[in-house]
Amino acid sequence: QVQLQESGPGLVKPSETLSLTCAVSGYSISSDYYWGWVRQPPGKGLEWIGNIYRSGSTDYNPSLKSRVTISLDMSKNHFSLNLNSVTAADTAVYYCARAFSEAIFDYWGRGTLVTVSS
Amino acid sequence: EIVLTQSPGTLSLSPGQRATLSCRASQSVNSMYLAWYQQKPGQAPRLLIFAASTRATGIPDRFTGSVSGTDFTLAISSLEPEDFAVYYCQQYDISPYTFGQGTKLEIK
Repeated sequence: QVQLQESGPGLVKPSETLSLTCAVSGYSISSDYYWGWVRQPPGKGLEWIGNIYRSGSTDYNPSLKSRVTISLDMSKNHFSLNLNSVTAADTAVYYCARAFSEAIFDYWGRGTLVTVSS
Repeated sequence: EIVLTQSPGTLSLSPGQRATLSCRASQSVNSMYLAWYQQKPGQAPRLLIFAASTRATGIPDRFTGSVSGTDFTLAISSLEPEDFAVYYCQQYDISPYTFGQGTKLEIK
């Protein structure tokens, strides 16, 4: 059974960097599939942030591309999200997910709320 | 980027009724590259349909996806109490991959 679990600070100060990790169990991220991040501001819809493939190749949403980095750590079977220079607009529930065919998300983490506030 | 517009914003129906949810793309989307997700309060989205009409593993056959041109439809043949949720369409044809704004299916 594939499971994903996000972890990281729930509160980040404006202008700082949001860093989250997604631990994957039940499947090796080095085997196949894409691994991605999707966020959802409170009470709003879903926004795709970006994906990474096992090769390390990445694809980011242009609206965030200048601030986002997604990376893999195959030794720990997890992948990470860094979003720098955050503002209140980055307050959201952040989900990590597995994707096939680049962006069909079939397994999701439970999500973690990150609030940007001083 | 491709904008997906879902309608209606809210749909009020009773258990046992049929639901029809729509998703229209702002430009041509390969009909194979559209997915539908269900999201309940406090939960992550759940994949229902991909490739416009293929049900994901474990999804009941009362959920049906279809496409006509740039108009995509999710139909739920006979609503069960657990079907009341928010539904999102998503295109994965052209990056950035985008979601519709959602349709809330509520109990009448």
